[in-house]
Amino acid sequence: RKEVEQDPGPFNVPEGATVAFNCTYSNSASQSFFWYRQDCRKEPKLLMSVYSSGNEDGRFTAQLNRASQYISLLIRDSKLSDSATYLCVVDATGFQKLVFGTGTRLLVSP
Amino acid sequence: DGGITQSPKYLFRKEGQNVTLSCEQNLNHDAMYWYRQDPGQGLRLIYYSQIVNDFQKGDIAEGYSVSREKKESFPLTVTSAQKNPTAFYLCASSMGRGGKTQYFGPGTRLLVL
Repeated sequence: RKEVEQDPGPFNVPEGATVAFNCTYSNSASQSFFWYRQDCRKEPKLLMSVYSSGNEDGRFTAQLNRASQYISLLIRDSKLSDSATYLCVVDATGFQKLVFGTGTRLLVSP
Repeated sequence: DGGITQSPKYLFRKEGQNVTLSCEQNLNHDAMYWYRQDPGQGLRLIYYSQIVNDFQKGDIAEGYSVSREKKESFPLTVTSAQKNPTAFYLCASSMGRGGKTQYFGPGTRLLVL
């Protein structure tokens, strides 16, 4: 089983739609969780950290479910500029490094 | 401006040649990392360093070497032993060790001639 698994998509949604991505992780001892955004041919950029109680940043909401070992990202009122690949990131065994998922691609159309 | 810089943006390597990718940060971060990204794949860790003069192999270290002589610099050498070096190389840094938030440089695209 991969340490971090994501549906590659693409998720095609119209502007204004709400879309959600899930990501599962294998290490039940993981403590740090993040969502990064990566635009085509660019570096990943931190979108938000994911906290145990869940957290929100504008149109973006992240949730953590430790029992089922998954994290989620909800995007409300999608914008064209949200089109990107969203990377799920979890700290690895031994907590010396982060493991990046392969990403979920989102395409928002007019 | 604080941040991470990588150079060059594009790099061409001839067969049998060693090339060095530069990574510099002025964020005063302790830890630095090198990743490789291939099309349709996730980031794979090549090497990481949590403190000056110390570094550890990541998941795909074969054919690569690094040094960490200064806190702000972590150059990566792609040696001739790396048989499939064409990829997007990303450098990152983080405050402290372990699973801390990592910030990335703009990357270097390496192509083999």
